[in-house]
Amino acid sequence: GAVVSQHPSRVICKSGTSVKIECRSLDFQATTMFWYRQFPKQSLMLMATSNEGSKATYEQGVEKDKFLINHASLTLSTLTVTSAHPEDSSFYICSAQTLRALNEQFFGPGTRLTVL
Amino acid sequence: GIQVEQSPPDLILQEGANSTLRCNFSDSVNNLQWFHQNPWGQLINLFYIPSGTKQNGRLSATTVATERYSLLYISSSQTTDSGVYFCAGVRSGTYKYIFGTGTRLKVLA
Repeated sequence: GAVVSQHPSRVICKSGTSVKIECRSLDFQATTMFWYRQFPKQSLMLMATSNEGSKATYEQGVEKDKFLINHASLTLSTLTVTSAHPEDSSFYICSAQTLRALNEQFFGPGTRLTVL
Repeated sequence: GIQVEQSPPDLILQEGANSTLRCNFSDSVNNLQWFHQNPWGQLINLFYIPSGTKQNGRLSATTVATERYSLLYISSSQTTDSGVYFCAGVRSGTYKYIFGTGTRLKVLA
């Protein structure tokens, strides 16, 4: 139980294009999903918190117009990197909380984004 | 904000050896989890351990919340244990995890 998937697992795009990453909770409903970013050999940094049916809450320093988050249902959250640039290249990871275990997060496998 | 320091930052072990990884918090956290990030980037939940001791096979963890630290023990290490180990805690009043700096483990055959 508590499986989270992400799609795509890897994406390469040209500078200036937009990329959408999906995060799905496969066997549970997630009240809250989180989006993290990880640079090589570094720790995970929280970007935003996503609640179903409401606007995402972004961490300080994260541009909300650049990283658009939509939490359309209790099993799906999407992150869209708009007008991507090479500095946006990173590993993006989502996590989800279950209703029955609010203090524990389960993580997706991550999406590696490379912007040329 | 809360700082989470992990030690050691890097560790190389011979297969079969034991090790202890440490996680120190600068302030109290409500929850604590240990994760293993495998070479493909997947984060695997090891323990949800806000306090006390838990064991799962060759791994065990102890959290002393009053002293703001947690330990992860790996016994009889195997090459598949290689990867990065993170601890993470939640700030009081939120569900936001703050990740530690990580311990990069390499187990040699």
